[in-house]
Amino acid sequence: GENVEQHPSTLSVQEGDSAVIKCTYSDSASNYFPWYKQELGKRPQLIIDIRSNVGEKKDQRIAVTLNKTAKHFSLHITETQPEDSAVYFCALRGTFGTGTRLTIIP
Amino acid sequence: DAGVIQSPRHEVTEMGQEVTLRCKPISGHNSLFWYRQTMMRGLELLIYFNNNVPIDDSGMPEDRFSAKMPNASFSTLKIQPSEPRDSAVYFCATSPWTGTSSYEQYFGPGTRLTVT
Repeated sequence: GENVEQHPSTLSVQEGDSAVIKCTYSDSASNYFPWYKQELGKRPQLIIDIRSNVGEKKDQRIAVTLNKTAKHFSLHITETQPEDSAVYFCALRGTFGTGTRLTIIP
Repeated sequence: DAGVIQSPRHEVTEMGQEVTLRCKPISGHNSLFWYRQTMMRGLELLIYFNNNVPIDDSGMPEDRFSAKMPNASFSTLKIQPSEPRDSAVYFCATSPWTGTSSYEQYFGPGTRLTVT
């Protein structure tokens, strides 16, 4: 599989604040950069993705940014809410990052 | 569409027994992935198929694990003999794939395997 590093492994933020999770990779040929959310006891589900011809994509409170030169892409969640508490994964060609457990503090 | 279907949803077996996990992909999806998820090791890619052909099985832990995809509608992951350390949730995921671009993966509900 691919080499994907995800940070941080855990993140706690106050409700209403922003959260940022970052993934770095090594394969220059990658052209698809997704983020998945997994709630407790559930399956991972796609929340946002970006292709290599775009630098940023936004969907309401979530956004993904891509820096192909530096080989990293990040998930941004603004105005966090309790339902954002979950584990988030980046993925590259089927290989998933180690996950970030996000906890929103009411 | 019913989505990715996995069976059984739960399996409890004794060490040394053979375990077979099954997956039915979404119709039209030509990529199929098997994952294992544990607290310690996260979400590990075991093997994936494109057009029923195994492409990368470097994640298969050892010879006790085998996977097949005899046709576009069905895949199995077999563990023989099973061991307690195989206890995990096993996910099957499928995706359309053009040969040059990747797309969203759709996960099945998973099979929770417990080996005693």
